[in-house]
Amino acid sequence: NAGVTQTPKFRVLKTGQSMTLLCAQDMNHEYMYWYRQDPGMGLRLIHYSVGEGTTAKGEVPDGYNVSRLKKQNFLLGLESAAPSQTSVYFCASSYSQGDIQYFGAGTRLSVL
Amino acid sequence: AQSVTQPDIHITVSEGASLELRCNYSYGATPYLFWYVQSPGQGLQLLLKYFSGDTLVQGIKGFEAEFKRSQSSFNLRKPSVHWSDAAEYFCAVMNRDDKIIFGKGTRLHILP
Repeated sequence: NAGVTQTPKFRVLKTGQSMTLLCAQDMNHEYMYWYRQDPGMGLRLIHYSVGEGTTAKGEVPDGYNVSRLKKQNFLLGLESAAPSQTSVYFCASSYSQGDIQYFGAGTRLSVL
Repeated sequence: AQSVTQPDIHITVSEGASLELRCNYSYGATPYLFWYVQSPGQGLQLLLKYFSGDTLVQGIKGFEAEFKRSQSSFNLRKPSVHWSDAAEYFCAVMNRDDKIIFGKGTRLHILP
């Protein structure tokens, strides 16, 4: 089983460029999450989704948008990338909100 | 607001020695508690979780953790560490109606 798959694994952007990170899960999970991980900061929740067609803001949502058009996919978009968005991004999914979260391998993004 | 504190940013132990990683949380009710491990370049993997019941929980890879309500702690332990345990460890807290909050992590170094 693939579990949670993130693409791409690495990306370098110039300031102002846009991009979309894709997260796909094959576990039929309802909940999906996007986190960013920065040194000394742990993981911080950007946005999450409680089901197909739903999205909600997390702790650090500014500068990001998300969409959940299909249950298995959760997209994270950066419309105009900034150097402060240089980070490692992790997607996770869970069956329910109180359940174990399964993580993807991460996307390392550098914004120059 | 709930929070998670991991007081130790780095811990170094010798291979074969015992390990204890500290985690303190702030929350009014009994939360769900988790320990995740992140190997270099990888996503997070669940080690163990506490929802209710026995306050000493067993996890994968020989890890265990004890929930102590009086101390608001959920410390992770292992009787004898292996070189492959070198990683970053995250404690996390969540209640049934809220989102998961991660600590900032403790990086474990193993001396040969």
